[in-house]
Amino acid sequence: NAGVTQTPKFQVLKTGQSMTLQCAQDMNHNSMYWYRQDPGMGLRLIYYSASEGTTDKGEVPNGYNVSRLNKREFSLRLESAAPSQTSVYFCASIGLRPPSSYNEQFFGPGTRLTVL
Amino acid sequence: QQQVKQSPQSLIVQKGGIPIINCAYENTVFDYFPWYQQFPGKGPALLIAIRPDVSEKKEGRFTISFNKSAKQFSLHIMDSQPGDSATYFCAASTNAGKSTFGDGTTLTVKP
Repeated sequence: NAGVTQTPKFQVLKTGQSMTLQCAQDMNHNSMYWYRQDPGMGLRLIYYSASEGTTDKGEVPNGYNVSRLNKREFSLRLESAAPSQTSVYFCASIGLRPPSSYNEQFFGPGTRLTVL
Repeated sequence: QQQVKQSPQSLIVQKGGIPIINCAYENTVFDYFPWYQQFPGKGPALLIAIRPDVSEKKEGRFTISFNKSAKQFSLHIMDSQPGDSATYFCAASTNAGKSTFGDGTTLTVKP
């Protein structure tokens, strides 16, 4: 199993450009998440999808849109990038990993985005 | 508003020392409290987790202590090694899958 994969690994955009970050998981998980990580600010939830066909806003959704294309894929779109969106973006899915009895978040390797 | 507060922001210990990272959560019902470990350039990975009906959980050199009445929990790393140098995040999570993370602690273990 590849787990959670993200593309691209790195991206540089100019202010106003748009782009889509791709995420896929092969663990048959229902729930998927997008976070951003900024220095000293931990992981902040942008959007999440509890199941295929549903999406909900998290803590910091402004400037982003998401699409849950199918059970495997959850993409994040920046329609008009701004320097404040310079960050590391992590996709995650959640599921049980036996023998534990609680859900575990499985994170992708991240996309490092710089907006000039 | 932040529901999970983590301290310290950074920590330096000598090899063999016992770093302790503390977290406190606010008045919300959570179902379990995980700790994640993140190495540079990688995504976070689950290290250990505890449910609120347990006061301590140990897995190898990693121990979580949980104080339900004080709404506090901490991670202890016994006999720390340079390979433990990483950023550690505490979190408060619900069974429905929502997690609130602390701001992270960067741990450096010197040889």
